[in-house]
Formats: sequence, structure tokens, C-alpha cells
Amino acid sequence: EIVMTQSPATLSLSPGERATLSCRASQSISNKLAWYQQKPGQAPRLLIYGASTRATGIPARFSGSGSGTEFTLTISSLQSEDFVVYYCQQYNNWPPWTFGQGTKVEIK
Amino acid sequence: QVQLQESGPGLVEPSETLSLTCTVSGSAISLFYWNWVRQSPGKGLEWVGYLFYEGTITYNPSLKSRATISVDTSKNEISLKLKSVTFADTATYYCTREGLDYNYMDVWGKGTTVTVSS
Repeated sequence: EIVMTQSPATLSLSPGERATLSCRASQSISNKLAWYQQKPGQAPRLLIYGASTRATGIPARFSGSGSGTEFTLTISSLQSEDFVVYYCQQYNNWPPWTFGQGTKVEIK
Repeated sequence: QVQLQESGPGLVEPSETLSLTCTVSGSAISLFYWNWVRQSPGKGLEWVGYLFYEGTITYNPSLKSRATISVDTSKNEISLKLKSVTFADTATYYCTREGLDYNYMDVWGKGTTVTVSS
């Protein structure tokens, strides 16, 4: 099973700042990585797939990068609605598909 | 517009079987994989298993053969049964869609919360 490790667990930033979230895989997953955003009381929503491709309707301030075992989600300028939880997920090796434990972006 | 709607009893007693249904609208069941993903209170996401309509089904080994996923194409429904539940199975259960050629989960249902309690 591939273990996905996200860091930090919590990121404290101010609106307008840049957020950098990390996700590490325990072995290479090529670019088979997705990022999801989860708002309180809602289901996760697909943000990024293929490590760097924005899903339909996702604002350009969200970007993803990386390959192999190291990945990054960047939010260029935090808006109020971005202060929620983000998960990464690998879809290169299964079973099982595995998720990171999440990074919460909170208002500083 | 694709919609996934999970449904099921909100409360299940320990050792009983949890039964959930996902009703799919706006998408052909035969053209995608269908997953169940769960999230325990305050915790992260755990993949439960997936199904392709022709019979391919794969489960998370961590569930130790307690899960059964099935499909009723005439009703556009995906079902999950989880037997011998314990308090650890208390979670919100999501139905998700996954592409045949892309494997990430592009559509999620709103989820249904199941509490295991006596």
C-alpha cells in the first residue's frame, strides 16, 4: 500500500498570502496524483488531477506540481473560501487508492 | 448534470450489516468505475472499494472481506453492504465516479452519515 503523507497538518496564513501544501508518496506514483478540497459539511471536490491539471471550473489561483514522490499544491493568493481542508490522493497503485491525512488551511 | 445520491439508515447496531445505496443520475453507469469512500468523524478519507458494471469489483484489504459492492443497472444504483460493523465503521460514506481512462474521482455524492451504536 502506498502511504501518502501531507504537510503541514495545519497552515496558518492571511488572506492574500500564498499557500504551499506538500504531499509525499511512499513510492513513485508518476504523476497520478489528485488534490481535493473539502469545505465543512460538504463532500470533497476535485481540484487538480494528473498532478498539475486543474479540474473544470477551478480558479487559476490553484496550481499543482511534482512527479514521482513529491507534490505541491499552491494557492497563489488566498481567498476567504480557500480556508478549508485539502487532501491528496494517489491513483497509480491499487488496491487500495490512498489519501493523505489532509492539510487544514486556517486564517492566521 | 451528474448527480450521485447516497441513502441508507443513519443508525446501525454493532455486529449488524450496514446497507447503503447510491443513485446515479446524468451519467451512464456502464461508462465509469464507481467507488465508495468513507470518512470517520474528524478523520481523513478511506477508500472502501470500487465496481465496474460488468462485474469487476475490488475492495480495500483493510476491510477484511466484510464489504460487498453491487450494481443494479436497471435502477442506476450502486450498493454497499458492510457486515459485522463495529464502532470504527461510523463514518460518512461517499459514492464517487472514476473514469475508465483517468482513475481519479471527478464526481462525488454529498455523502450519507452512518453511526454504529447500540
